[in-house]
Amino acid sequence: ILNVEQSPQSLHVQEGDSTNFTCSFPSSNFYALHWYRWETAKSPEALFVMTLNGDEKKKGRISATLNTKEGYSYLYIKGSQPEDSATYLCAFPVTYSGGGADGLTFGKGTHLIIQP
Amino acid sequence: DAGVIQSPRHEVTEMGQEVTLRCKPISGHDYLFWYRQTMMRGLELLIYFNNNVPIDDSGMPEDRFSAKMPNASFSTLKIQPSEPRDSAVYFCASSLLQGAGETQYFGPGTRLLVL
Repeated sequence: ILNVEQSPQSLHVQEGDSTNFTCSFPSSNFYALHWYRWETAKSPEALFVMTLNGDEKKKGRISATLNTKEGYSYLYIKGSQPEDSATYLCAFPVTYSGGGADGLTFGKGTHLIIQP
Repeated sequence: DAGVIQSPRHEVTEMGQEVTLRCKPISGHDYLFWYRQTMMRGLELLIYFNNNVPIDDSGMPEDRFSAKMPNASFSTLKIQPSEPRDSAVYFCASSLLQGAGETQYFGPGTRLLVL
């Protein structure tokens, strides 16, 4: 069973402030690390897929970094806006007995609330 | 371009009844995944298919759960008989290609309540 841990579990941030949170994953047999954004009553939406140690990806005010050797990824949000309020999930591919790794194991998420 | 389509969006049923959830993946996607979201366990993989063939069903909780993919554009997840602990949001997702680095696109989910 893979352990994908996210911290903190929830976070309240003032509008305009920047914030970041962490995803920890097994550092052995690394394939990729996925970040998803999940708004209430909607479906999870892919943000980033990261595959290389040292990777840094950016989408608007959101960016992510990856350290595969130590098994963690950070997600950063610069200048938080109310529309950033969501649960941010990271996910790690599951290796099945046949050797492939396609399905995802998700962390419990960081629930982010931006306060005006 | 339509995304992943799931039906019904909401289902309320009584314990012991059969429940069938449906999914239409994005056209051209070879991989289809079924996930379940609960407060206790978060979002967990139940089963996935490649070109309509089940690849890994180790996440299916019990024999009461079964999934099929009769063709490239349709999959079902069936629970028979249903129990209150099956209450959850069930998501279907699809991806274009094989691989751990491939983005999965999620449907809107089916919110199931078993009384």
